[in-house]
Amino acid sequence: QQQVKQSPQSLIVQKGGIPIINCAYENTAFDYFPWYQQFPGKGPALLIAIRPDVSEKKEGRFTISFNKSAKQFSLHIMDSQPGDSATYFCASSPSNTGKLIFGQGTTLQVKP
Amino acid sequence: DAGVIQSPRHEVTEMGQEVTLRCKPISGHNSLFWYRQTMMRGLELLIYFNNNVPIDDSGMPEDRFSAKMPNASFSTLKIQPSEPRDSAVYFCASTLGGGNSYEQYFGPGTRLTVT
Repeated sequence: QQQVKQSPQSLIVQKGGIPIINCAYENTAFDYFPWYQQFPGKGPALLIAIRPDVSEKKEGRFTISFNKSAKQFSLHIMDSQPGDSATYFCASSPSNTGKLIFGQGTTLQVKP
Repeated sequence: DAGVIQSPRHEVTEMGQEVTLRCKPISGHNSLFWYRQTMMRGLELLIYFNNNVPIDDSGMPEDRFSAKMPNASFSTLKIQPSEPRDSAVYFCASTLGGGNSYEQYFGPGTRLTVT
């Protein structure tokens, strides 16, 4: 199976809130799990990524939580700001391929 | 570095016409990916190359689509003949490849409209 399922499809939070976006993958042979951020009219850009040998990774206000047994991972955005309003994509990579299989995306709106 | 360069940025064409999209990857990167983005289907991987060799083209929708990478600094995605359902944003991405270098750098995309 090569699917990556992402939820929710859209999310609205107030400034300072903590939006959480979830992803589930099916193939245990995936070994790299990035999150990409995309602004309108731009290409996606890497935000943060994790490997399955750790359960959590934090970079600034962004944290990935990874649950290998459940085949799920999530993105948390601490102290969200209006500038974080964008579309977020999770992805998974089959081992030793470098290719990415993307989730459907989550449109986040952070209200001032 | 200028990043991944794609041209044209916008393309409007009539059904049945040939369309060629172009990509220049980041210098030194040895893997190149072509994606298509639509509201309905999200970001789909069409094809990717390692060291100019096509590795996986299972995402190419049909024979109307073809991609080439004649050298390390240039790739094309061709649609012939184009159809309205091909309307989408097409992205090219490149990565250093190998080892742990999986970060993909995306270009700005080409917005294709087929009327």
